[in-house]
Amino acid sequence: SQKIEQNSEALNIQEGKTATLTCNYTNYSPAYLQWYRQDPGRGPVFLLLIRENEKEKRKERLKVTFDTTLKQSLFHITASQPADSATYLCALGADKLIFGTGTRLQVFP
Amino acid sequence: GAVVSQHPSRVICKSGTSVKIECRSLDFQATTMFWYRQFPKQSLMLMATSNEGSKATYEQGVEKDKFLINHASLTLSTLTVTSAHPEDSSFYICSADGTSSGRGPDTQYFGPGTRLTVL
Repeated sequence: SQKIEQNSEALNIQEGKTATLTCNYTNYSPAYLQWYRQDPGRGPVFLLLIRENEKEKRKERLKVTFDTTLKQSLFHITASQPADSATYLCALGADKLIFGTGTRLQVFP
Repeated sequence: GAVVSQHPSRVICKSGTSVKIECRSLDFQATTMFWYRQFPKQSLMLMATSNEGSKATYEQGVEKDKFLINHASLTLSTLTVTSAHPEDSSFYICSADGTSSGRGPDTQYFGPGTRLTVL
């Protein structure tokens, strides 16, 4: 069955550093991979979508890579800020999304 | 970005009663909406796909007679949890397909979620 794994339950980093989150998947060949941010008690907020023929996509301080050979996506937040603290979810697909369990990022001053 | 609302934001009900949750796309039309459920510290699990004017498509293991979905218009989908039980307590989140929003293809816009507690 399809499986998505995101690295560690929690990631703690210092303000200003780059946060790198990992999403690995198996038994699936998605045409799209998406990243969302979810704050406690709230619905996910769309951040970035990357297609299978794209290696990298950027949006402001965010960068996503997509390696279909390794079946892995990396999500980077540069110059991290305490306001970036949230749970980040990766999701495979375009319409019917399959979500990972998320990585909780904590950025401390 | 596109706005999707849900009502109510939280509801507490007695076991055996039915609860209706509304999902609205406020500034765009969505032919397709999705309903998810999220248990504590777990990821979102797709329950069903709601298409305007047709029957919803349910994921495996989701009882269609228990979770009634009605997508009556291009901006409104409702989920009714019938004869709710404590194990139905969860965070229910809807999303709307943003393809027709003009804001970009292949993205979903999520509502803020509804916290259901069944006593």
